Amino acid sequence: DAGVIQSPRHEVTEMGQEVTLRCKPISGHNSLFWYRQTMMRGLELLIYFNNNVPIDDSGMPEDRFSAKMPNASFSTLKIQPSEPRDSAVYFCASSRWGELFFGEGSRLTVL
Amino acid sequence: DQQVKQNSPSLSVQEGRISILNCDYTNSMFDYFLWYKKYPAEGPTFLISISSIKDKNEDGRFTVFLNKSAKHLSLHIVPSQPGDSAVYFCAASDGQNFVFGPGTRLSVLP
Repeated sequence: DAGVIQSPRHEVTEMGQEVTLRCKPISGHNSLFWYRQTMMRGLELLIYFNNNVPIDDSGMPEDRFSAKMPNASFSTLKIQPSEPRDSAVYFCASSRWGELFFGEGSRLTVL
Repeated sequence: DQQVKQNSPSLSVQEGRISILNCDYTNSMFDYFLWYKKYPAEGPTFLISISSIKDKNEDGRFTVFLNKSAKHLSLHIVPSQPGDSAVYFCAASDGQNFVFGPGTRLSVLP
């Protein structure tokens, strides 16, 4: 299996621009998670889906952030408009039977 | 308020000695605990886990201990090797969600 696939690996954008991060979970996994890694907070859960349904989005920082999972093999995390404080590494992870597998992350830099 | 805490941001250990990484949690609903290891520019990778019905799980050089009454777990690495140098994340699960601690950066000195 190819593992969890994230794109882009690196994104540099200017403040105010829209950013879309993409994730393809491992086939057969029924849960998908979006995390953000920062120096201050470590791995911070933003939102997770179970069977494509958002279960808990309490970690989404504010209305500028939105996430969708239109089908079992694809999810997006969108930031609009982006701000410099959104600069971080964003990880997608998928899970089945209690083990979590991470993608390699998308490093976002907002100037 | 953080539900999973790793109070040591960093730890340095000599090669061949034991590394002990600690983790505390606050939510009694957590019943499954995991350790992940992360190298720079890579995603975290699963290392070892333990269910709340156990107090110890061992896998080669890695052992995880769980003290439910204290809501504390620890990861022991023995002997430590330079390749173990990484950031280690403790995670707790209630069966649906996975909550991570802030991580501990381990440096194993040759």
